[in-house]
Amino acid sequence: EAQVTQNPRYLITVTGKKLTVTCSQNMNHEYMSWYRQDPGLGLRQIYYSMNVEVTDKGDVPEGYKVSRKEKRNFPLILESPSPNQTSLYFCASNFREGLRNEQFFGPGTRLTVL
Amino acid sequence: AQSVAQPEDQVNVAEGNPLTVKCTYSVSGNPYLFWYVQYPNRGLQFLLKYITGDNLVKGSYGFEAEFNKSQTSFHLKKPSALVSDSALYFCAVRDISGTYKYIFGTGTRLKVLA
Repeated sequence: EAQVTQNPRYLITVTGKKLTVTCSQNMNHEYMSWYRQDPGLGLRQIYYSMNVEVTDKGDVPEGYKVSRKEKRNFPLILESPSPNQTSLYFCASNFREGLRNEQFFGPGTRLTVL
Repeated sequence: AQSVAQPEDQVNVAEGNPLTVKCTYSVSGNPYLFWYVQYPNRGLQFLLKYITGDNLVKGSYGFEAEFNKSQTSFHLKKPSALVSDSALYFCAVRDISGTYKYIFGTGTRLKVLA
């Protein structure tokens, strides 16, 4: 089954404790992306990657890191989480070029930073 | 700066009536436009897209959208609403100038009343 998976689905942590949210896709998509969803603000793109070893900042990259060492994986790293990073996070992937470029989203990770 | 506006936080419509969820955008050049739907406690699902060609685009679950270049709009429509259409709807635009960024609107909650 074609899918984007994220882990963990729920996470409660404390300020300053490094964490990683994993994202994996099995559709051979070049493009992967991380978003955060906050009430009234919609989805905001954090980072995106157009291919292996190619990443770039979205609109809200502060406090986050990413890496793309393999095509299927795109982990999101919070080196020192703060309460303002409490949010619902989504990973997405899609083909970079051509007409089949709609995004496939993961189920989401709800993060609470105390 | 590129942006997407969904002017209505919530739209209420009676079951069986036509529905419209509005979206306007501001981008340089020709945009790729998308609609996604989010059901409670779920990730986002792709509904439809405009890339090129016919201005009226048909998508999943009986939804359609009309691309209007002069009004920079991409409103989502359905001729006859169902209670099961109740969800959060997001309009999105992809920057095709080379950055591959995606910009989402703030979302419109659709409530279909039985």
